[in-house]
Amino acid sequence: DAMVIQNPRYQVTQFGKPVTLSCSQTLNHNVMYWYQQKSSQAPKLLFHYYDKDFNNEADTPDNFQSRRPNTSFCFLDIRSPGLGDAAMYLCATSRDPAGGYTFGSGTRLTVV
Amino acid sequence: QKEVEQNSGPLSVPEGAIASLNCTYSDRGSQSFFWYRQYSGKSPELIMFIYSNGDKEDGRFTAQLNKASQYVSLLIRDSQPSDSATYLCAVLTSGTYKYIFGTGTRLKVLA
Repeated sequence: DAMVIQNPRYQVTQFGKPVTLSCSQTLNHNVMYWYQQKSSQAPKLLFHYYDKDFNNEADTPDNFQSRRPNTSFCFLDIRSPGLGDAAMYLCATSRDPAGGYTFGSGTRLTVV
Repeated sequence: QKEVEQNSGPLSVPEGAIASLNCTYSDRGSQSFFWYRQYSGKSPELIMFIYSNGDKEDGRFTAQLNKASQYVSLLIRDSQPSDSATYLCAVLTSGTYKYIFGTGTRLKVLA
């Protein structure tokens, strides 16, 4: 089945230790998004790619970076995780920017 | 600041009843509206989208859009305990290709 896969499902990292979250898709969708969602809050857009065009939200901290080496893969790098970065990180794709999203299962990040 | 507002709930309804979830938005130019269901600890799942004023039905779900009043609602008929989840409203903002999500309404269907 075509899908969006996030790895790992759960990630525990130490304060300040770089961590990379990955997302892959078999839907061949042009647009990929990274969202951060904290408990009982709305998902917050961090980045999105339309094909290879990278779009960074103005309020996304510099500590967060992203890479999309090809259509199928996208990575979220957190250079120096702080306790406030503990959250669920959601990858989503859509065929076009105005369409509905398909979300991956998410990566729950814990910072200790 | 473009906003999407939802009552956080919980909204409790008995099994078999109609659950009515509401969402208001501030950007009058918004054109596309989506409802996502999110079970606790899981990622959101798209269940309905609507672009035009009026009602759109899909099985037990009906989305209603009123652009003049800037609200969109989701009705769930014959509610089941398995419908218990948080329902997120998402609005595609005018002039961009970005959603703004509401914080969601938690629905509890009581058996």
